[in-house]
Amino acid sequence: TQLLEQSPQFLSIQEGENLTVYCNSSSVFSSLQWYRQEPGEGPVLLVTVVTGGEVKKLKRLTFQFGDARKDSSLHITAAQPGDTGLYLCAGSFTGTASKLTFGTGTRLQVTL
Amino acid sequence: GAGVSQTPSNKVTEKGKYVELRCDPISGHTALYWYRQSLGQGPEFLIYFQGTGAADDSGLPNDRFFAVRPEGSVSTLKIQRTERGDSAVYLCASSLGSGRSREQFFGPGTRLTVL
Repeated sequence: TQLLEQSPQFLSIQEGENLTVYCNSSSVFSSLQWYRQEPGEGPVLLVTVVTGGEVKKLKRLTFQFGDARKDSSLHITAAQPGDTGLYLCAGSFTGTASKLTFGTGTRLQVTL
Repeated sequence: GAGVSQTPSNKVTEKGKYVELRCDPISGHTALYWYRQSLGQGPEFLIYFQGTGAADDSGLPNDRFFAVRPEGSVSTLKIQRTERGDSAVYLCASSLGSGRSREQFFGPGTRLTVL
């Protein structure tokens, strides 16, 4: 059974601060995705990373995939209240490409 | 609407009852997934359909859980003899085909409460 650990579980910061969320696994991902989920809604895909060492940027969000494809990070610069939500990483593993294994999530709250 | 829809949005039932949860995927999406999300947790995979057939049902917790997709579009998740531990949000997702990079689009979920 592949497990994804996310840290921190909770994060409360003020507007303008930077933050990083981590996602780690003991197994190698064939691909990894980051999602954001708001209350009462399903997760919405932010990014997919496939290649070890890959870095992708989405406005103030920077996603990095570890060289060994066992870990990933999400960095938010100058957080805004609109960034508040549950951030989930989800991985696909070799042989189970269509089945996503989700992390436990990081609940982010950004206050004014 | 163009997104994945799920009905009902909320379902309250008593222990031991039978429930059906419905998912309408995005038109043209051949792959459909069911996940279960317990409070404070990330979604947990249950089952995946490619067309009408269940391609991977390894996440179904036991034989009380069953899902169908008879015409390759709408899917129904069926839970027999519900237990309090079945209480969770049941999420459905669909994608164009399958594979590691295929984006899964999620519905809003059905919140199931077993009393």
